[in-house]
Amino acid sequence: GAGVSQSPSNKVTEKGKDVELRCDPISGHTALYWYRQSLGQGLEFLIYFQGNSAPDKSGLPSDRFSAERTGGSVSTLTIQRTQQEDSAVYLCASSYTSGGAVEQYFGPGTRLTVT
Amino acid sequence: AQSVTQLGSHVSVSEGALVLLRCNYSSSVPPYLFWYVQYPNQGLQLLLKYTTGATLVKGINGFEAEFKKSETSFHLTKPSAHMSDAAEYFCAVSEVPPNDYKLSFGAGTTVTVRA
Repeated sequence: GAGVSQSPSNKVTEKGKDVELRCDPISGHTALYWYRQSLGQGLEFLIYFQGNSAPDKSGLPSDRFSAERTGGSVSTLTIQRTQQEDSAVYLCASSYTSGGAVEQYFGPGTRLTVT
Repeated sequence: AQSVTQLGSHVSVSEGALVLLRCNYSSSVPPYLFWYVQYPNQGLQLLLKYTTGATLVKGINGFEAEFKKSETSFHLTKPSAHMSDAAEYFCAVSEVPPNDYKLSFGAGTTVTVRA
């Protein structure tokens, strides 16, 4: 079946511009996660959505970052006023339920380059 | 927050030789532990996980890992390396419940396989 898809696969933007990154989880998966993978910081948790519960935003690095999940499916990660340190690969994952023992299925990521 | 240490950012092995990737974690309670593999330009794929029970866990592609609570370790092994094992490998640990959906990743180990 279809896996987690992300778009765009690559995004180059100028410093100060806003960007939107999209994630389509596996159909039927109720939990959705965003991670950031960068050279300096490795893989970092950003945000978690589970059903209709309030999201866990504890990993968002600043108030320039926000995310939403519409209809319990597609999610958009928005970065406002991008900075060069935002350059990274942004990974989305989903799982059929929540809880630490479940497998998270990862998408291929969006590579963001801020010039 | 949990932390994960992967010893060695790069490992080079000969085809047919043993693959050993080391992972140590910090946790006051037994966590959930994972190994993920990432091939170039792809998302992360779960190799194996430890939740409870048997401490020797078998995963896909001939990999296995042993949970040693006394050593807070979860090293990954494969008896005989194949060229297709060349990739980056990440060890991850979950936070304690109820935040056990949140994973902390090690810095990763890149494996190269020599013919």
